[in-house]
Amino acid sequence: DGGITQSPKYLFRKEGQNVTLSCEQNLNHDAMYWYRQDPGQGLRLIYYSQIVNDFQKGDIAEGYSVSREKKESFPLTVTSAQKNPTAFYLCASSINRDREQYFGPGTRLTVT
Amino acid sequence: GQSLEQPSEVTAVEGAIVQINCTYQTSGFYGLSWYQQHDGGAPTFLSYNALDGLEETGRFSSFLSRSDSYGYLLLQELQMKDSASYFCAALILTGGYQKVTFGTGTKLQVIP
Repeated sequence: DGGITQSPKYLFRKEGQNVTLSCEQNLNHDAMYWYRQDPGQGLRLIYYSQIVNDFQKGDIAEGYSVSREKKESFPLTVTSAQKNPTAFYLCASSINRDREQYFGPGTRLTVT
Repeated sequence: GQSLEQPSEVTAVEGAIVQINCTYQTSGFYGLSWYQQHDGGAPTFLSYNALDGLEETGRFSSFLSRSDSYGYLLLQELQMKDSASYFCAALILTGGYQKVTFGTGTKLQVIP
């Protein structure tokens, strides 16, 4: 089955720790995206990548970092510099400049 | 900056028709997508407009007016399972890259 996987579904961390969220896709999509969603809010773009070894900052990139070493993988690191990291994180992929994004199931991160 | 505005909540009766509006202010705009998200789930693609006019996909239709920077999603023959949040999303070309900016979301409640 083709799709996007994110792991883990729930993640708990102590304040001051970096944490890396996994995102893998086997859809052969070139473009991948990371979004953050807070309760009752829309999706805000953190980082996006259209090709391997290239990525761009989205609207709220501060305190986050990404890498795109393989087409299938786009991990997101939430660093200790992110002031309010508790949120629902969604990864998506698409064919380049295509209208439709495919989303993973999300990771709910809680930092205390 | 980029912004998309939607009503925060809409309530409609099962079997009825409901319209969810989206007004946008973006540069580099080239299309408007719509997504559905059930509580705790991932967004799923519903419809897309690149040109002015109405696009119909089963019970769902979407409309775009570029001159008015306005679009809407029309849901017909409402079912209880349509209770969810609905997001408009602008596809934007910036510096040769494609990014997507999501609206604030509209929570639809379908009542018997």
